Amino acid sequence: GENVEQHPSTLSVQEGDSAVIKCTYSDSASNYFPWYKQELGKRPQLIIDIRSNVGEKKDQRIAVTLNKTAKHFSLHITETQPEDSAVYFCAASRESNYQLIWGAGTKLIIKP
Amino acid sequence: DAGITQSPRYKITETGRQVTLMCHQTWSHSYMFWYRQDLGHGLRLIYYSAAADITDKGEVPDGYVVSRSKTENFPLTLESATRSQTSVYFCASTGGAEQYFGPGTRLTVT
Repeated sequence: GENVEQHPSTLSVQEGDSAVIKCTYSDSASNYFPWYKQELGKRPQLIIDIRSNVGEKKDQRIAVTLNKTAKHFSLHITETQPEDSAVYFCAASRESNYQLIWGAGTKLIIKP
Repeated sequence: DAGITQSPRYKITETGRQVTLMCHQTWSHSYMFWYRQDLGHGLRLIYYSAAADITDKGEVPDGYVVSRSKTENFPLTLESATRSQTSVYFCASTGGAEQYFGPGTRLTVT
C-alpha cells in the first residue's frame, strides 16, 4: 500500500539553531501535504501545509518545501525555541478523498 | 478545536466487554476519522466516513465497529475489548483538507 517515510525519528538541536525533518511519499497522485505538531499528552494540530502546485510555503519561523519529482517534502524550523519541543508528523493525501497517509513522527528536542 | 469533542476522556474496562467511544463535531464536516495512537507511536487509521451512512475501513479495523447515522456523530465500538486495544483514540473531522482532532480518549483494557 501507499506509505510515507519520515526521518529522523529523533532530532536534538541547540536552542536558536535550525531543524529540518524530511518525508518521502510513494503515491504519485498525492497533492496535499500537511505537517502536524503534537505536544505531550495533547492532540495533533496542523502547523503548516502545502499543495502540489506550490514548491515552498513559509509562516514566520516554519517553512515547508516540496519536490514532486523526487516525491519528498521537508519541514524547516528556524531559530528554534523551547516551545518547539514536540513530536512532528508529516502526511500526504489526495484531496479527492482526504484520507491522510501518516509518517511515523519525529521527536524534536530543543536543548537549552 | 472546541468544535470536536470526545467522550469519555478516560476509560478503564475489562477484557471481553463492549465499549463505545463517542465523537461529536459541530462544523457539519462531511468526513470523520478514527485513529489509534499507541504509546510512543504514530497514528493508525481505524475507520473513516465520507458522509452519514457511508463508512469504510482503514488500516486497522479488526475488532472495531462504527456507525454514522447523523453527520455530527461518529461512535466507535469495541465489540469485545482486548488488551491489545489499550491505546489513545483520536477522532478527527474535515470539511476540506485540514483534519481537526478531538482531545482523545485514553482507553485501558485490563
